[in-house]
Amino acid sequence: DIQMTQSPSSLSASVGDRVTITCRASQSISRYLNWYRQKPGKAPELLIYAASSLQSGVPSRFSGSGSGTDFSLIISSLQPEDFATYYCQQSYNTPRTFGQGTKLEIK
Amino acid sequence: QVQLQESGPGLVKPSGTLSLTCAVSGDSISSDYWWSWVRQPPGRGLEWIGEIHQIGTINYNPSLKSRVTISVDKSKNQFSLHLSSLISADTAVYFCARQIFRSGWGPSFEFWGQGTLVTVS
Repeated sequence: DIQMTQSPSSLSASVGDRVTITCRASQSISRYLNWYRQKPGKAPELLIYAASSLQSGVPSRFSGSGSGTDFSLIISSLQPEDFATYYCQQSYNTPRTFGQGTKLEIK
Repeated sequence: QVQLQESGPGLVKPSGTLSLTCAVSGDSISSDYWWSWVRQPPGRGLEWIGEIHQIGTINYNPSLKSRVTISVDKSKNQFSLHLSSLISADTAVYFCARQIFRSGWGPSFEFWGQGTLVTVS
């Protein structure tokens, strides 16, 4: 199985801040990497697919980059609804695997 | 707009079998997508259980493969999950989801159900 490791596990920030979350794969996955946001008590929402493509309807403050084993999710200006948990997920092969999550909290 | 809705018992006994159904509306289960199950133990991360395509191809997580069955019912436009030999570690919120394959870029979980909590006790 491909292991996905996110950092940090938690992060405190303020509305308007720029934040970066990183994700590392245990082997090269090209650009087969997706990012999700999960608000408390809700299902995850797809933000970014193929490492850097913005899902339809997702605000442009979200962006993604990377290839191979190292990836990043950037939120350019945090909004109140962005305080949630973020997951990366590899779609290179099965079993599909997720990172352990990064919890973004209000400072 | 595609909507998915999980249903099934919220409490099941150890050693028993969990049976969940995901009803799909706004799309046909026979469309060219993969229909998936993902679970999340309380306070923890996401675990992929498996996926099915209407042509009959199925993929399971090897960690659960001996206990899991996913199937499609085209007449009811729904798909199902059966997980047997339950233990307390199977307590989780179970989500159904639709995966879209974009040419050259692999699948992503595009639409999700709201999730249903299943407690093994």
